[in-house]
Amino acid sequence: DVKVTQSSRYLVKRTGEKVFLECVQDMDHENMFWYRQDPGLGLRLIYFSYDVKMKEKGDIPEGYSVSREKKERFSLILESASTNQTSMYLCASRPERLRYEQYFGPGTRLTVT
Amino acid sequence: AQRVTQPEKLLSVFKGAPVELKCNYSYSGSPELFWYVQYSRQRLQLLLRHISRESIKGFTADLNKGETSFHLKKPFAQEEDSAMYYCALRRADSGGYNKLIFGAGTRLAVHP
Repeated sequence: DVKVTQSSRYLVKRTGEKVFLECVQDMDHENMFWYRQDPGLGLRLIYFSYDVKMKEKGDIPEGYSVSREKKERFSLILESASTNQTSMYLCASRPERLRYEQYFGPGTRLTVT
Repeated sequence: AQRVTQPEKLLSVFKGAPVELKCNYSYSGSPELFWYVQYSRQRLQLLLRHISRESIKGFTADLNKGETSFHLKKPFAQEEDSAMYYCALRRADSGGYNKLIFGAGTRLAVHP
């Protein structure tokens, strides 16, 4: 059974803080993704990584960066959190680039005050 | 532009009534479409793919290229179908990596 875990379920941070969201998958998947989920906007891709140390910008990368030093872990970094980054953040992984099913984590609800 | 449109934010029906969740897409290539579902307090998961032409939990979806639609249907709704449903479109980037474009989602509420 594929397991994608995210470090926190709920997180409250102050404006200007540096925020780290961690995602770990246990199935040796090459591809990993970070999305934000907002009502009325659905899921929007922030960044994805197709292999260790490899990353590509998604549709809304501004204000975010990522790190993938190990295959199982994909971190999303908010260098200086702002209130408009208050959202639900979902991590997903996928076994290979030709497979379409993505396995999602439980999400991290981030509130920036 | 590649786009997925789900025109309804909320669909409210009674148990036993038919359900149709609408999805329209815009894509220049050969489309591949999916429905994902998120039940309350559960993670988002794949419900079905158009290419497999299967019925999952009584739901079916047919790709209509003429109308650029991929509506999700179920003849008799159950209370346990209440969830958030997302339509998604596969797209390939210049590097050949497949990504998904998601619609805004439709919340289905099935009342007893």
